[in-house]
Amino acid sequence: ETGVTQTPRHLVMGMTNKKSLKCEQHLGHNAMYWYKQSAKKPLELMFVYNFKEQTENNSVPSRFSPECPNSSHLFLHLHTLQPEDSALYLCASSQEDRSSYNSPLHFGNGTRLTVT
Amino acid sequence: GQNIDQPTEMTATEGAIVQINCTYQTSGFNGLFWYQQHAGEAPTFLSYNVLDGLEEKGRFSSFLSRSKGYSYLLLKELQMKDSASYLCAVKDSWGKLQFGAGTQVVVTP
Repeated sequence: ETGVTQTPRHLVMGMTNKKSLKCEQHLGHNAMYWYKQSAKKPLELMFVYNFKEQTENNSVPSRFSPECPNSSHLFLHLHTLQPEDSALYLCASSQEDRSSYNSPLHFGNGTRLTVT
Repeated sequence: GQNIDQPTEMTATEGAIVQINCTYQTSGFNGLFWYQQHAGEAPTFLSYNVLDGLEEKGRFSSFLSRSKGYSYLLLKELQMKDSASYLCAVKDSWGKLQFGAGTQVVVTP
């Protein structure tokens, strides 16, 4: 079983649709993240959850809504998206420890989202 | 502002050596990471440097100079499977990870 699993792998949706992306981690980590990856651009951090509490929201439009029901699951709810939201959405997890900063992120394979 | 710079693309021959440079300007420094990402796949962790010097892991090595805001990832004895994007990321003093845009390495026969 892979460490971080994302579904679906591909998603095409219209601007008026509502859909959700799902992420599950099997690593026992205490932090989970949503990143957006667009071509030729740096990974953009969208949301961070530490111990199921949202600790970061990087000015993300309200049409993206995260949900973290427990430390193993993370969702990204999508509503009335725009074509420029088409990108690869990556979920990641890590074990965060306030005394050290060397915990690497473990990524899922991402959901390739196309908004038409 | 915060800035992570790395070349967009590099091409090298199988068996050769390639060095991917990364320069950074961030609000404080708590370590630098390198990740590898094959097309259509998840980024995977390669290395972490927080002290100056060279860290070696098999064919891959990573170097850091904090005074120069500079790191490089060295790939030796290149193989076709090393064709991928290599991401440099710096953790700032707030613990936030800032990514560069990635360097696409193309290995040719």
